Amino acid sequence: QKEVEQDPGPLSVPEGAIVSLNCTYSNSAFQYFMWYRQYSRKGPELLMYTYSSGNKEDGRFTAQVDKSSKYISLFIRDSQPSDSATYLCAMSDYNTDKLIFGTGTRLQVFP
Amino acid sequence: NAGVMQNPRHLVRRRGQEARLRCSPMKGHSHVYWYRQLPEEGLKFMVYLQKENIIDESGMPKERFSAEFPKEGPSILRIQQVVRGDSAAYFCASSPPFFSGSDPYNEQFFGPGTRLTVL
Repeated sequence: QKEVEQDPGPLSVPEGAIVSLNCTYSNSAFQYFMWYRQYSRKGPELLMYTYSSGNKEDGRFTAQVDKSSKYISLFIRDSQPSDSATYLCAMSDYNTDKLIFGTGTRLQVFP
Repeated sequence: NAGVMQNPRHLVRRRGQEARLRCSPMKGHSHVYWYRQLPEEGLKFMVYLQKENIIDESGMPKERFSAEFPKEGPSILRIQQVVRGDSAAYFCASSPPFFSGSDPYNEQFFGPGTRLTVL
């Protein structure tokens, strides 16, 4: 079993839709939870990070962490064609800087 | 402030040759990480270095792979005697020094990657 599981998609939605992306994990030591966006042939860029449980909102993006269920989510409101990319979840524990990534979910937002 | 720089962006090698990938961290950053991304897979941690020190190499293959981050100059990921299975995108990330009392999360900033193709 992988430490971090993420549905690879692809996920195709119309412009303006609410998008829900999710990851599950098995390591209860994870404390930091990140969402990265990666455009084709580019490096990942950090969208949001959350420490421990709870919600965090930044513009159209909301990140949620449920440590009891080992489940994290990223919601994108009013999705735009420019949001079309691969979204990677990543996690780390308090004692190490190495990031453990999900496989990424490919999102396509069509006009 | 330039971002993380990697070169070359594309590298083609024949089986048995050596590949050298370079990474210049962001200005002021003293931590460097290397990740490998195979087709249709997420990024896999390889190694974490600070200046002149390897901090964590738990993700490095035991043979043919090595990494360094000298006092001066870029970090180098070196792959000896490449095989077809080494074909992948290799990403470098950097982060600033960690200061006690600051936000405990130390963001890693990624470079554009080097795409290695082994023929």
